[in-house]
Amino acid sequence: SQELEQSPQSLIVQEGKNLTINCTSSKTLYGLYWYKQKYGEGLIFLMMLQKGGEEKSHEKITAKLDEKKQQSSLHITASQPSHAGIYLCGADIRNTDKLIFGTGTRLQVFP
Amino acid sequence: DSGVTQTPKHLITATGQRVTLRCSPRSGDLSVYWYQQSLDQGLQFLIQYYNGEERAKGNILERFSAQQFPDLHSELNLSSLELGDSALYFCASSPRLFTGELFFGEGSRLTVL
Repeated sequence: SQELEQSPQSLIVQEGKNLTINCTSSKTLYGLYWYKQKYGEGLIFLMMLQKGGEEKSHEKITAKLDEKKQQSSLHITASQPSHAGIYLCGADIRNTDKLIFGTGTRLQVFP
Repeated sequence: DSGVTQTPKHLITATGQRVTLRCSPRSGDLSVYWYQQSLDQGLQFLIQYYNGEERAKGNILERFSAQQFPDLHSELNLSSLELGDSALYFCASSPRLFTGELFFGEGSRLTVL
């Protein structure tokens, strides 16, 4: 089984709607990182969360880290077609300098 | 443009063959990571190098090997290829030993027929 599970696996939303993607770890989180991948392209770093309760925002994307639940959420406000892609969470869950990634969430935004 | 260059972008080969994928990290980055992305397995960590030395190993098969050269570029060698090795192979780099902020290349898409 995957050590970093994301939900939902895929999401189709209408432009302007809000949405949330979750990432849950089966092990202790030592930092949580969110990336976005456009189809068939490389990953682009979005943001990093290192402390429990930490929340960061970039434009219309907000990410939070709940260390107790070993979980992070990514929230997009007023989604746009440019938000479409695959969102992946990454973490060093064993504190071994290995960044592993979650199962990914495929987001489609239609006009 | 992340500054990480991967070649070739696409590669089609036959089972049993051997291929080499090349990665040039961003200027000044000492760490290089290799990942494999397939539909059924997702994005899997293979191996990491830092300044020429292997630092971390993931789910890398024995048929696969990698190295980082003195000029910091890296190569991933895949041998005795099987159909299941068809995937997108990503290289990423970062300036320090470990940071969760990696800069990814565009990937090398390998198709094994």
